[in-house]
Amino acid sequence: DAGITQSPRYKITETGRQVTLMCHQTWSHSYMFWYRQDLGHGLRLIYYSAAADITDKGEVPDGYVVSRSKTENFPLTLESATRSQTSVYFCASTNGGSGNTIYFGEGSWLTVV
Amino acid sequence: GQQVMQIPQYQHVQEGEDFTTYCNSSTTLSNIQWYKQRPGGHPVFLIQLVKSGEVKKQKRLTFQFGEAKKNSSLHITATQTTDVGTYFCAGGGSQGNLIFGKGTKLSVKP
Repeated sequence: DAGITQSPRYKITETGRQVTLMCHQTWSHSYMFWYRQDLGHGLRLIYYSAAADITDKGEVPDGYVVSRSKTENFPLTLESATRSQTSVYFCASTNGGSGNTIYFGEGSWLTVV
Repeated sequence: GQQVMQIPQYQHVQEGEDFTTYCNSSTTLSNIQWYKQRPGGHPVFLIQLVKSGEVKKQKRLTFQFGEAKKNSSLHITATQTTDVGTYFCAGGGSQGNLIFGKGTKLSVKP
């Protein structure tokens, strides 16, 4: 699991500020994902990427921006943070489609005040 | 879009009791995966089932994939406090994506 790392692990920010959560994986996995986890909602997919320079919206993309200029990095940006974006964010990666194991990062706890 | 429903949302058991969580999809799944998330941790892969009617065991855990590949279950025999956590199923969708259920949070009273 050390092959996928997230930073920061904990962040408190103010409403309206821009926040970027970083994700780095060392496996050269083609697919990378961002999920948010909230009580009662399970894991909800925000954005995913099938390869460098290819990104697609997931279930809850509004208010978020992603990029993937390099295979190993997949940053998630909250352009103008809102309190509803207070959540735990998980980055994940896999080397293929649905038949491959997904490996999750340890999570980033974000609080927007 | 495709959805995977998972029940129950919460389960509280006495240590030693059995536990089962169920996943259901309205459409056929290419495969089903199960993940466990310990409190404060991240989801960790447990197992994958691919074949219709497949049953796999990991010690006290038994995983089943339905004959129609639309449902799955995870059964834990004689729960222990180390089983505490949230169990997620994730089904392979028609677009090659993985669709997560909302999870079942298991608490075990010693």
